[in-house]
Amino acid sequence: DIQMTQSPSLLSASVGDRVTINCKASQNINKYLNWYQQKLGEAPKLLIYNTNNLQTGIPSRFSGSGSGTDYTLTISSLQPEDFGTYFCFQHNSWPNTFGAGTKLELK
Amino acid sequence: EVQLVESGGGLVQPGRSLKLSCAASGFTFSNYGMAWVCQAPTKGLEWVASISTGGGNTYYRDSVKGRFTISRDNAKNTLYLQMDSLRSEDTATYYCARHGQLGFDYWGQGVMVTVSS
Repeated sequence: DIQMTQSPSLLSASVGDRVTINCKASQNINKYLNWYQQKLGEAPKLLIYNTNNLQTGIPSRFSGSGSGTDYTLTISSLQPEDFGTYFCFQHNSWPNTFGAGTKLELK
Repeated sequence: EVQLVESGGGLVQPGRSLKLSCAASGFTFSNYGMAWVCQAPTKGLEWVASISTGGGNTYYRDSVKGRFTISRDNAKNTLYLQMDSLRSEDTATYYCARHGQLGFDYWGQGVMVTVSS
């Protein structure tokens, strides 16, 4: 199975900050990398698919980049509604696998 | 609007069975693969099983092979997960998700399954 290693596991930031979350795959996943946001008690929501494509309705302050094994989610200016947990996910190979998550909290 | 609504969760004893359902609306159900994803309490997400559009192809994570069965009824726009020989480590929230070329693009709200004596 492809292992997805996310960092950091916990991120404290303030409204207006620029934040980045990293995800490293144990092998090349050919840009088949998604990012999801999950708020407490809610289902995950797709933010970005295939590395850098914004899902419909997601604000442009979210962006993604990367290739090969290394990927990044960037939030350009943090908003109050952005706090929650973020997961990366690879769908290049079976079984599809998730990162362990990054909890983004208010500093 | 895409909607996925799970049902059928609850408390069950180890070794017993449970069947989850997921009612889909807002899209042409038969055009999409579907999946179940679980999340144990305070843990991350794990893919459990997927099924192709017509139901002819199914895929499972190793830990549930031979115990869980994913199926679908395209006439009823419903996805199922039959869970047999349940273990305590199966305790989790189970999400139904649409599984397309973008990966899992829409998710239900989840249903809790607790396996305990």
